[in-house]
Amino acid sequence: EIVMTQSPATLSVSPGERATLSCRASQSVSSNLAWYQQKPGQAPRLLIYGASTRATGIPVRFRGSGSGTEFTLTISSLQSEDFAVYYCQQYNKWPLTFGGGTKVEIK
Amino acid sequence: EVQLLESGGGLVQPGGSLRLSCEASGFTFSSYAMSWVRQAPGKGLEWVSAITASGGNTYFVDSVKGRFTISRDNSKNTLYLQMNSLRAEDTAVYYCACDISGWTFDYWGQGTLVTVSA
Repeated sequence: EIVMTQSPATLSVSPGERATLSCRASQSVSSNLAWYQQKPGQAPRLLIYGASTRATGIPVRFRGSGSGTEFTLTISSLQSEDFAVYYCQQYNKWPLTFGGGTKVEIK
Repeated sequence: EVQLLESGGGLVQPGGSLRLSCEASGFTFSSYAMSWVRQAPGKGLEWVSAITASGGNTYFVDSVKGRFTISRDNSKNTLYLQMNSLRAEDTAVYYCACDISGWTFDYWGQGTLVTVSA
């Protein structure tokens, strides 16, 4: 099983600042990496797939990068609606696995 | 508009069974793979099972193999998860999700809560 490790667990950021979230895979997943956003009481929402392709309707301030085992989600100029938990997920190999999540909170 | 509506959750005793359903609309259901993803209270996301568009191939996380079965009825635009021999650790919100971009979870339902407790 591919283990996905996200860091940090919690990120405190002021509105308007940049947030950088990391995701590391225990073995290469090529570019088969997705990012999701989940707000309290809601289902997750797909943000990024293919490591760097924004899903439909996702604002350009969300940018994914990386390949192999190291990935980054960058949120430039955080808006109030961006404070949430973010998960990475690999789909290179069965079983599909998620990282433990990064909570982005208001500083 | 894509809509996924789960049902069938509830309280069940350990060792019991439940069948979850997910009714899909707003897209060509028969063209896409589907998955179930669960989230234990206060915890992260865990993929549970997936099925290809035709239903010909199914996949499971090890912890549910032999206990859960995934199926679909493309004529009814409905996905199912049959859960047997339920354990306390299966307690979670179960989401169905549509896989469009290649085993990613592009659209999600609102989830149905399964509680396994005596």
